[in-house]
Amino acid sequence: GQQVMQIPQYQHVQEGEDFTTYCNSSTTLSNIQWYKQRPGGHPVFLIQLVKSGEVKKQKRLTFQFGEAKKNSSLHITATQTTDVGTYFCAVLGGSARQLTFGSGTQLTVLP
Amino acid sequence: DGGITQSPKYLFRKEGQNVTLSCEQNLNHDAMYWYRQDPGQGLRLIYYSQIVNDFQKGDIAEGYSVSREKKESFPLTVTSAQKNPTAFYLCASSKQGYNEQFFGPGTRLTVL
Repeated sequence: GQQVMQIPQYQHVQEGEDFTTYCNSSTTLSNIQWYKQRPGGHPVFLIQLVKSGEVKKQKRLTFQFGEAKKNSSLHITATQTTDVGTYFCAVLGGSARQLTFGSGTQLTVLP
Repeated sequence: DGGITQSPKYLFRKEGQNVTLSCEQNLNHDAMYWYRQDPGQGLRLIYYSQIVNDFQKGDIAEGYSVSREKKESFPLTVTSAQKNPTAFYLCASSKQGYNEQFFGPGTRLTVL
């Protein structure tokens, strides 16, 4: 399956600061999904991007898909303690449409 | 109340024993998946099934087996051939034609 590299692995921010995680591929991606996993929990779907240069917003979260469809980012404005968790990008592909996950970025928000 | 259930939440087994993890969904989803997650890592696909009585190996199928006798159920057996079975196991499902996957709460397996 398609491989995606996700950076950074860890990020500590003070509450109110912004946060960004990046997902990169050496090949063109047909789509990219983002999931959030709270500590001790399971991944929850956030969004899917499919178009070149696509930008989608969900309240304080902004998702971007690169023009070349080889990278994506998730940006959180003014983080809150409820944002704590690990954010994964994932690529859907293969004959059975299986997901290949990035290694995730673990976000810690300090109050 | 629709969703995916996995049981038990925590499971302890002795080395050399087979163990079966349960996954049930009442979302009427056709596709079901099993993932393994190790600390600080992403999810890796073990097995997946698009329809009843059919399933395919994922990236790390060695030492695991599955069955799909009913649409609602997709149990995973961790066999003694799996060299490092201690991990967090997540089951997921998706609707035909849709990309979003819904995950169960997971089972933490510890092999002693």
